[in-house]
Amino acid sequence: DAGITQSPRYKITETGRQVTLMCHQTWSHSYMFWYRQDLGHGLRLIYYSAAADITDKGEVPDGYVVSRSKTENFPLTLESATRSQTSVYFCASSGTSGGEDTQYFGPGTRLTVL
Amino acid sequence: AQSVTQPDIHITVSEGASLELRCNYSYGATPYLFWYVQSPGQGLQLLLKYFSGDTLVQGIKGFEAEFKRSQSSFNLRKPSVHWSDAAEYFCAVGAFTGTASKLTFGTGTRLQVTL
Repeated sequence: DAGITQSPRYKITETGRQVTLMCHQTWSHSYMFWYRQDLGHGLRLIYYSAAADITDKGEVPDGYVVSRSKTENFPLTLESATRSQTSVYFCASSGTSGGEDTQYFGPGTRLTVL
Repeated sequence: AQSVTQPDIHITVSEGASLELRCNYSYGATPYLFWYVQSPGQGLQLLLKYFSGDTLVQGIKGFEAEFKRSQSSFNLRKPSVHWSDAAEYFCAVGAFTGTASKLTFGTGTRLQVTL
């Protein structure tokens, strides 16, 4: 049972380059989320998706693009990476939209932008 | 908008001692509250959650939390800490926004356990 996976686990890139972080879940969960984790900020929501082809902005969406053509995948793209996007990125999924529903997290991708 | 405050950035306890991690939230309606744990280099794992009913919630690894509406708090406790509990702990409040339930996290409390 693979659960939720992220790739790559580590990435170093340069300012201005495009980077795509991948997220894949095997539970057929409808809801998927992208967070970034930074010291002093905890986790902040970037984008989320309620189903295939339905996405919406979170708290810090600027500089990021998402798509969801298949239920199981939710890639996050940095179209032109900046140093301020150096962070650890977590993908999560949940099965329902109820407020009490648990979000399950992937292992994270550590991204460094030079 | 909802918010979560974890006033303690870093806590050190001795192995075998009791533990309480503080969490205060701000939310206009009945909150859904969560505690997650993150070990170094790992993703977040759910410890426990509260959404209704008994205000004392039991979780995994011997943790419990108590919801106190009057104090807007959801403190995490463990009677006897083990060295393997050293990690970062995040409190979160969940809110349904019409299309999905979104979590708002606190900034975390790093727990160090001394032997």
